Amino acid sequence: EVQLLESGGGLVQPGGSLRLSCAASGITFSNYAMSWVRQAPGKGLEWVSSISGSGTSTYYAGSVKGRCTISRDNSKNTLFLEVNSLRAEDTALYYCAKAVSQVAAAGHLDDWGQGTLVTVSS
Amino acid sequence: QAVLTQPSSLSASPGASASLTCTLRSDINVGAYGISWYRHKPGSPPQFLLRYKSDSDRQQGSGVPSRFSGSKDASANAGNLVISGLRTEDEAEYYCVIWQNSGWVFGGGTKLTIL
Repeated sequence: EVQLLESGGGLVQPGGSLRLSCAASGITFSNYAMSWVRQAPGKGLEWVSSISGSGTSTYYAGSVKGRCTISRDNSKNTLFLEVNSLRAEDTALYYCAKAVSQVAAAGHLDDWGQGTLVTVSS
Repeated sequence: QAVLTQPSSLSASPGASASLTCTLRSDINVGAYGISWYRHKPGSPPQFLLRYKSDSDRQQGSGVPSRFSGSKDASANAGNLVISGLRTEDEAEYYCVIWQNSGWVFGGGTKLTIL
């Protein structure tokens, strides 16, 4: 059974930074691209970033480009998202999601974690 | 104009069928894309329902019943999620998604209410 467990969320001041983690189990982690998707309060789902299975290809939404870095440690089955220069509009529940192949663009996101809440406020 | 446009809400009765529409921006040809559909209930992560590109290129989510099906309407440049035999537990937000321009694009979501 695939399990994805996010952590690292919390309350942070505007301008601050956070590093989110997503620990995967039940899969050969390096075989799958991974993504971060967020949902702000009262809003819809918004894609944030994706990374290929090998980690060599990364993709970012325009709203976070230049402020976010996605990475992965395949030896530890863990996905990361570092977010800098946090703004109030980054307040959201952040989900990690698994793709169906090593290629981020292929197919769909078939497994999701429960999410970790990031609140940006002074 | 948004890449993917979904009606914000839809109501239907138990046992009936509902067709949820996802219209692609006019400069994006629906025939070139696989459209994924997700169901999202409060307090739970999104659930992958199905992906539809054509009758020969489609995937059903694990454990997702066949009363959930996908299709396309080329004339409307849209994808559709059809849910038949509606149940009260189908009440949720439904999102369509495509991979476009090096990223996943989500529609705004349709809130399906079962009355």
